[in-house]
Formats: sequence, structure tokens, C-alpha cells
Amino acid sequence: DIQMAQSPSSLSASVGDRVTITCRASQNIDRWLAWYQQKPGKAPKLLISEASGLQSGVPSRFSGSGSGTEFSLTISSLQPDDSATYYCQQYNVFSTFGQGTKLDI
Amino acid sequence: ELQLLESGGGLVEPGGSLKLSCAASGFTFSHYAMSWVRQVPGKGLEWVSAISGSGGGTYYTDSAKGRFTISRDNSKDTVDLQMNFLRADDTAVYYCAKGTVTAGRGYHYDYWGKGALVTVSS
Repeated sequence: DIQMAQSPSSLSASVGDRVTITCRASQNIDRWLAWYQQKPGKAPKLLISEASGLQSGVPSRFSGSGSGTEFSLTISSLQPDDSATYYCQQYNVFSTFGQGTKLDI
Repeated sequence: ELQLLESGGGLVEPGGSLKLSCAASGFTFSHYAMSWVRQVPGKGLEWVSAISGSGGGTYYTDSAKGRFTISRDNSKDTVDLQMNFLRADDTAVYYCAKGTVTAGRGYHYDYWGKGALVTVSS
């Protein structure tokens, strides 16, 4: 099974800050990685697929990068609405999610 | 508008059974693989099971093998998860999620339902 190690588990930042969340796969997953945003009581929302493909309607302050085993999600200028938990997901073989990163603003 | 609506959640005793259903609308259902993903309240996401667009390919996480069965009815645009021999650690919100491909062992999800809570307790 492919394991996903996501860090940090939580972070606190201010409006306008730039933050980066990282995800490490236990084996090579090429670019088969997605990022989701989840707010309390809601279903996850797809932000990025194939490591860096921004989904339609997602603000351009969100960006993804990486390949192989190391990936990152960057939010370039935090907004209050970005307060949420973020998950990475590998889908190279079935599906595995990272443990999540709770972002407080 | 694309919608996924889960139903069938509830309270069940350990060792019991429950069937979740997901009704899809707003897209050509048979063209997309579907999955069930669960989340223990306050915890992370866990993929449970997946089914190809035709229904010919089904996949399960290890803890679900032999206990859960995923199926779909492309004439009714529904996907079900039959859960047997339920345990306390199956307690979670179960989400129905739409894949972005027709078949394959791995894919991401572009739409999710609101979830159905399954509580396994005596």
C-alpha cells in the first residue's frame, strides 16, 4: 500500500501570508496527486489534480507542485475563507489520503 | 446541476448490516467510476471502495474485503455499498464520490455527496 505523509498537521497564519503544505508518498506516484479543501461539516472540495492542475473556479492563489514522492500545496496570499483542513490524495494505485493539515487564519 | 445524494445511514449494532445508496444526477452516470470514502468524525479521509463505470471492476480497502460489496445500477444512476459484519471502527460519515475516469484502479474525485453517518454501537 502507498502511504502519504502530510505536514504540518496544523498551522496558524495571518491574512496575506504565504503558506506551504507538503505531502510525501512512500513510493513513486508520478504526478497522480490531488489536493482537497474541507470545511467543518462539509464534503471535501477538489482544488488541484495531477499535482499542479488547478480546478476551474479555484482561486489562482492556490498552486501545487511536485512529482515522484514529494509534493506541495502553496497558498500565496491567505484569505479568511481559506481556513479549512487540506488533504492530499495519491491515486496512482487505488487511493490514499494524507492525514490532513488544519489551517487556522 | 450535478448532485450526489447518499441515503441509508443510521445506527446499527455490531455484527449487523446496512446498505448505503447514492443517487446521482446531472451527468452521464455510466461514463464515470464511483467510490465510497469514509471519515471518522474529527479524523481524516479513508478510501473504502470503488467501482468502474460499467460495474465490471470493483475494488476494496483491506478492511472492507469480505464484508462490504459495492454495486451500481446504471439504469437508475445509483451506486450502493452493502456493509455486513459491521464493527465499531466502521463508524464514520460515508461519502459517495464521483471519479474523473470510466475505469482504472486510481482516480481523483471531482464531486462528493454530503455524506451519510453510520454509527455502529450496541
